Amino acid sequence: AQSVTQLGSHVSVSEGALVLLRCNYSSSVPPYLFWYVQYPNQGLQLLLKYTSAATLVKGINGFEAEFKKSETSFHLTKPSAHMSDAAEYFCAVSNTGFQKLVFGTGTRLLVSP
Amino acid sequence: NAGVTQTPKFQVLKTGQSMTLQCAQDMNHNSMYWYRQDPGMGLRLIYYSASEGTTDKGEVPNGYNVSRLNKREFSLRLESAAPSQTSVYFCASSAMVDTQYFGPGTRLTVL
Repeated sequence: AQSVTQLGSHVSVSEGALVLLRCNYSSSVPPYLFWYVQYPNQGLQLLLKYTSAATLVKGINGFEAEFKKSETSFHLTKPSAHMSDAAEYFCAVSNTGFQKLVFGTGTRLLVSP
Repeated sequence: NAGVTQTPKFQVLKTGQSMTLQCAQDMNHNSMYWYRQDPGMGLRLIYYSASEGTTDKGEVPNGYNVSRLNKREFSLRLESAAPSQTSVYFCASSAMVDTQYFGPGTRLTVL
């Protein structure tokens, strides 16, 4: 069975600083990996997805993630944080294509001026 | 194009009451899903429907039933609500092998 671990329930950065949100996965077969963002009182919005093509995946709003099979990781990064990036971020894995996602517990990103 | 819509947005129930959460999508997607979101636990799959006419249990199906009414609509029913079902419920839809798109959620409180 697949699973996802997100290290750190809260991450705080200053505006303009590097954002790094960690995600490690467990899967018995090559996985599909996703990052979703949730703004307050809203549903989830897809940031980016890995589907066994390029290992470095670029998403919306300047975010990117790198699939590292040897480390079973799919960390999310953004070079320079903006106040509007404050939200909760979820990593998810599927080994059945795009259905039946398994989500991590989420990381809340706080951005200070 | 509204995407995925959910009704109601908020609901308060007493223990033992029943209710149905409604979900509709206008993207002609084959697959639909119901999740619940609880603090510190991420999203957990309750039920899903891979295509019209089929439904399957997810990770936490106990206490819930679903109906795939047609291709557009997928409802979630709580027959006898319990305080443990206090949560935020999200509906999502996807093409057969594509990204899941989420609705805005229903906040349910069971007293």
